Amino acid sequence: QKEVEQNSGPLSVPEGAIASLNCTYSDRGSQSFFWYRQYSGKSPELIMFIYSNGDKEDGRFTAQLNKASQYVSLLIRDSQPSDSATYLCAVTSYGKLTFGQGTILTVHP
Amino acid sequence: KAGVTQTPRYLIKTRGQQVTLSCSPISGHRSVSWYQQTPGQGLQFLFEYFSETQRNKGNFPGRFSGRQFSNSRSEMNVSTLELGDSALYLCASSLRDVDNEQFFGPGTRLTVL
Repeated sequence: QKEVEQNSGPLSVPEGAIASLNCTYSDRGSQSFFWYRQYSGKSPELIMFIYSNGDKEDGRFTAQLNKASQYVSLLIRDSQPSDSATYLCAVTSYGKLTFGQGTILTVHP
Repeated sequence: KAGVTQTPRYLIKTRGQQVTLSCSPISGHRSVSWYQQTPGQGLQFLFEYFSETQRNKGNFPGRFSGRQFSNSRSEMNVSTLELGDSALYLCASSLRDVDNEQFFGPGTRLTVL
């Protein structure tokens, strides 16, 4: 079992829709959870972080964490073509940050 | 505040050579982590440094090494390069440790011929 798992996609949504990205992790002791966005040819950019169970909202982004289910998700409301990118889930585990393989999101006009 | 910087941005080397990559963290950040990114393996953790000490290491051979200086700047070295070492090498800095937000530099694209 991989430490951090994401659906690779691609996930395609129309402009203005809600994009839902999911991630599961294996280490119950994980404390910190991050979502990064990576455009092709660029380095990852931090867009959300969450430490406690529940929801955290920042503009059009909402991160959701459920430690009991070992599940973290990212919702993007009012998706825009500029949101088209690879979204990486990252989880701290055993003193290091472990990344999922990423979900490719395409927002079409 | 300036972001994480990495030099050089691009490198071409041949098998058997060695290479040194440099990373300057965000001012005030004391933790520096290195990652290798390839299309097949994704982002993989190499090592993390804090106060000039390696605190954690990923599953990479001993050819991959690093160090951190007193000003928190870090270098990583790869000796006896192999074709499979071709990758994007990313440095990320955070205030204290991996539980804090990590911010990435632009990366160094290494091509081994």
